[in-house]
Amino acid sequence: SQTIHQWPATLVQPVGSPLSLECTVEGTSNPNLYWYRQAAGRGLQLLFYSVGIGQISSEVPQNLSASRPQDRQFILSSKKLLLSDSGFYLCAWSPRTGTGSPLHFGNGTRLTVT
Amino acid sequence: GDSVTQMEGPVTLSEEAFLTINCTYTATGYPSLFWYVQYPGEGLQLLLKATKADDKGSNKGFEATYRKETTSFHLEKGSVQVSDSAVYFCALSVLGSGGGADGLTFGKGTHLIIQP
Repeated sequence: SQTIHQWPATLVQPVGSPLSLECTVEGTSNPNLYWYRQAAGRGLQLLFYSVGIGQISSEVPQNLSASRPQDRQFILSSKKLLLSDSGFYLCAWSPRTGTGSPLHFGNGTRLTVT
Repeated sequence: GDSVTQMEGPVTLSEEAFLTINCTYTATGYPSLFWYVQYPGEGLQLLLKATKADDKGSNKGFEATYRKETTSFHLEKGSVQVSDSAVYFCALSVLGSGGGADGLTFGKGTHLIIQP
């Protein structure tokens, strides 16, 4: 069966520090990969998605970047964190079979920028 | 663009009460529809889905019917339990219109509180 791992679970970082969140998927090949952010009291915002190694699409301009160095690895990064980067970050995957396929989420990373 | 609208809550009910969480959508194509549930401190879990008009998705006592004529996908449960307390998200995916590889479009979530 497929599983998705996301770490760390919680993170407290000062403003201006770098960020690296990692997500890996097991039990499937060529997945679509996604990063979402959930701010307090708000819905889910799609940040990045990837359909293959080195292929990243950004949905919103921001202080963050994403990379996919391997087929089942997705990394969210920042060079200098802002207070507004605080939130709950969720990684997700879906099979490469077109519409109708649900997304499968990791357990999320709670990021607090101080 | 595509969008999902749902009541934000919080919705507070007593145990064994009947639950309805409304969800309506706007889409240019023919969407697949989903309900996700998020328990405190956790990621989202797929609760149920429907891929075409008049389909009924069901899981764990929850049901939702894809109503194309009213562009709705309301979530229902006949008798809720304290363990159902969570945030529920309605979502859609449309072929070639921001769905699929572009990810799902989510509503803002409905916070459900069940009191014993």
